[in-house]
Amino acid sequence: GNSVTQMEGPVTLSEEAFLTINCTYTATGYPSLFWYVQYPGEGLQLLLKATKADDKGSNKGFEATYRKETTSFHLEKGSVQVSDSAVYFCALMDSSASKIIFGSGTRLSIRP
Amino acid sequence: EPEVTQTPSHQVTQMGQEVILRCVPISNHLYFYWYRQILGQKVEFLVSFYNNEISEKSEIFDDQFSVERPDGSNFTLKIRSTKLEDSAMYFCASSLDRGANEKLFFGSGTQLSVL
Repeated sequence: GNSVTQMEGPVTLSEEAFLTINCTYTATGYPSLFWYVQYPGEGLQLLLKATKADDKGSNKGFEATYRKETTSFHLEKGSVQVSDSAVYFCALMDSSASKIIFGSGTRLSIRP
Repeated sequence: EPEVTQTPSHQVTQMGQEVILRCVPISNHLYFYWYRQILGQKVEFLVSFYNNEISEKSEIFDDQFSVERPDGSNFTLKIRSTKLEDSAMYFCASSLDRGANEKLFFGSGTQLSVL
């Protein structure tokens, strides 16, 4: 079945460091891929998405590229801020578009 | 931005008791979902709901679970007889339509603790 595997946390970085959170997926067909973020005390929010191979999703300085050959959708940011501290979830939606399948989440903490 | 509201934020119950988790989706949305996350594990799909009926449910969503949209604004998840393994964070979500280009809005979750 469809599934998402992402880097286990927690990840702790200093402000302005480079961030990578790895995500790989297993799916039949051509899923759409997402990163969601959950800030403390809030719900899951869509951060970015890519709907086909080689698409790059970007938002708030974060980027992720849909790599079909490696079945990956790694999240990157060049210079993290304290305000980026949150839990990040990689997810996919299969071609039937009936539901989103999430990974287990990666907690990110940024030190000033 | 509009919000999905979930109440309570934390619910503690005894094993075997019934619980009802409440959600108020965004008012013009048509598709409704429940997900849950057991501590340290993946966020798991439970059920989707459209046009006053379940459109899809997972293996987790057995006869102990039910959903209802009783009054056109609330969307509830009922667990008839809770088990220890039902302890999790439960997320409600809603969207206007289906598909990858349709934004899914999530509530902040209800942490259910079964003792």
